[in-house]
Amino acid sequence: EPEVTQTPSHQVTQMGQEVILRCVPISNHLYFYWYRQILGQKVEFLVSFYNNEISEKSEIFDDQFSVERPDGSNFTLKIRSTKLEDSAMYFCASTPGGQPSYEQYFGPGTRLTVT
Amino acid sequence: AQSVAQPEDQVNVAEGNPLTVKCTYSVSGNPYLFWYVQYPNRGLQFLLKYITGDNLVKGSYGFEAEFNKSQTSFHLKKPSALVSDSALYFCAVRDSGGYNKLIFGAGTRLAVHP
Repeated sequence: EPEVTQTPSHQVTQMGQEVILRCVPISNHLYFYWYRQILGQKVEFLVSFYNNEISEKSEIFDDQFSVERPDGSNFTLKIRSTKLEDSAMYFCASTPGGQPSYEQYFGPGTRLTVT
Repeated sequence: AQSVAQPEDQVNVAEGNPLTVKCTYSVSGNPYLFWYVQYPNRGLQFLLKYITGDNLVKGSYGFEAEFNKSQTSFHLKKPSALVSDSALYFCAVRDSGGYNKLIFGAGTRLAVHP
């Protein structure tokens, strides 16, 4: 069964450093998402991406964040200058189409630790 | 604005007993509701969804959920719990006003005891 994959599984970085989290969505999917989950808290939406552009972003997704689909398979989340409060589990998700009935398929997540 | 509430932080149940994990929602328009499960150190796995039609939705691993429009609830159920069902369960609603992002509840930890 096709799966969403994410790398790395765990990233430790120092405050102020740039990080890139990588995701490979399911191959025929067209809509892509990033969510994050701070330890012990709910899963929060960050950004959605379709047709090579951001379709929606949350208040969390400020100028320090960016997303890119550099080729036909990868979908990346970049945090330009990490802060302690960016420490969280980051999940990538994808769906085959834009209908609201589609479930989103989630990757296993990347745990980001900012020290 | 759409929202989801999971009123219980934790649910404890004995193996073999029925389980219920509660979820209530607030949406404008037709609700698209989902249940996901998260095992330790794993991502979110889709269990089931309600789009339209029958109020009782069947999903993976023997789980089902009952949609109740008058009570704006979408409770997750299983007739006979297994120890392996112990995990974190999230209810979510699709945001009809945006580009289909999911809005999650806070999650409920299910502990099934032998």
